[in-house]
Amino acid sequence: NAGVMQNPRHLVRRRGQEARLRCSPMKGHSHVYWYRQLPEEGLKFMVYLQKENIIDESGMPKERFSAEFPKEGPSILRIQQVVRGDSAAYFCASSPRIVSYNEQFFGPGTRLTVL
Amino acid sequence: KNEVEQSPQNLTAQEGEFITINCSYSVGISALHWLQQHPGGGIVSLFMLSSGKKKHGRLIATINIQEKHSSLHITASHPRDSAVYICAVLIQGAQKLVFGQGTRLTINP
Repeated sequence: NAGVMQNPRHLVRRRGQEARLRCSPMKGHSHVYWYRQLPEEGLKFMVYLQKENIIDESGMPKERFSAEFPKEGPSILRIQQVVRGDSAAYFCASSPRIVSYNEQFFGPGTRLTVL
Repeated sequence: KNEVEQSPQNLTAQEGEFITINCSYSVGISALHWLQQHPGGGIVSLFMLSSGKKKHGRLIATINIQEKHSSLHITASHPRDSAVYICAVLIQGAQKLVFGQGTRLTINP
């Protein structure tokens, strides 16, 4: 059983470029969460998605950041016109159908470096 | 004040010692996670609990819902236990995790 997959594991971008981070949830999981870990800081919630729906985006920066989880394919976190402050580790987690609460399983993360 | 507070922030101990990491939270929760993160590595979920106590190998996690407090214990600690341990709570009525700042544990041989 494959766990949560994220790619790329490391991504280097120059200021102003776009970054696309991909997350494939565990088999049978239809809920995806994105978290960001800035250098020397704790993890922060960004967005929660189900297939084709954004459920909670209260942690997403208002500009340049977007997320999707299409019917087919991985979830994508997209950062447009990256700036140095976007350098961080971005983690994706997934969980199965929500009952009351479900354990979230984390991917290995994508480490974004903006030059 | 953060919604989730961990103590201590840093802990250094000798191999074999009994380790306790504490987590206090100030919000209503439906569950609490203990996570492990190795330097430069991914995040591994150690426990998810909503009441009582869970044990896995040398790791024990407890939670007291009334006192809004959880502890993670490591018995017979080993250098390979060196990592950052993170407490995260699942906010009641939501599906997002709120994280503590983490406890950096170093076990010396």
